[in-house]
Amino acid sequence: KAGVTQTPRYLIKTRGQQVTLSCSPISGHRSVSWYQQTPGQGLQFLFEYFSETQRNKGNFPGRFSGRQFSNSRSEMNVSTLELGDSALYLCASSLGENSSPLHFGNGTRLTVT
Amino acid sequence: GQQVMQIPQYQHVQEGEDFTTYCNSSTTLSNIQWYKQRPGGHPVFLIQLVKSGEVKKQKRLTFQFGEAKKNSSLHITATQTTDVGTYFCAGQAGTALIFGKGTTLSVSS
Repeated sequence: KAGVTQTPRYLIKTRGQQVTLSCSPISGHRSVSWYQQTPGQGLQFLFEYFSETQRNKGNFPGRFSGRQFSNSRSEMNVSTLELGDSALYLCASSLGENSSPLHFGNGTRLTVT
Repeated sequence: GQQVMQIPQYQHVQEGEDFTTYCNSSTTLSNIQWYKQRPGGHPVFLIQLVKSGEVKKQKRLTFQFGEAKKNSSLHITATQTTDVGTYFCAGQAGTALIFGKGTTLSVSS
């Protein structure tokens, strides 16, 4: 089975721009979660989508949004980028049950200048 | 809100020494999962604990879930250089899976 695929791997944007990140889950996985990883802050939960519906949301501003398509692929959008948005953005897919382990992609490294 | 605290943040050991990381939740968890992230890599699922007082072993790694289902630990016996990385616990309460900030383990030979 192919793993979780995230594109692009690297992005450089300037303040004020917006960015869209993409995630293709493992085949058969219906849940996609997004995490922001920064040094010292660990993995901070952004949101989770299950069957095209947002099921959970973390404590991030409304500039961070996402969606999931009928094929379970997901996109995350960040508008009006700030320097503090520089981070590794990880997507993880799972079967979607409460005890399902997460399978992470390699992440998208976003740098905001 | 729900928090999962993990200590220590960093740990350096000599090869062959033991290592333990601890995880504490502010709320009762339905299960706890452990992940390992190698330098430059992404988190990889190690194990899940569900039952109160559960203990599971994977070779040199021993995982425990507390009786109250609010804390957990990961113990590595006789560390090796291949154990280097950051170990995360993730607690599930309801439908949300909340990660601790991780313990970064370095090992010198």
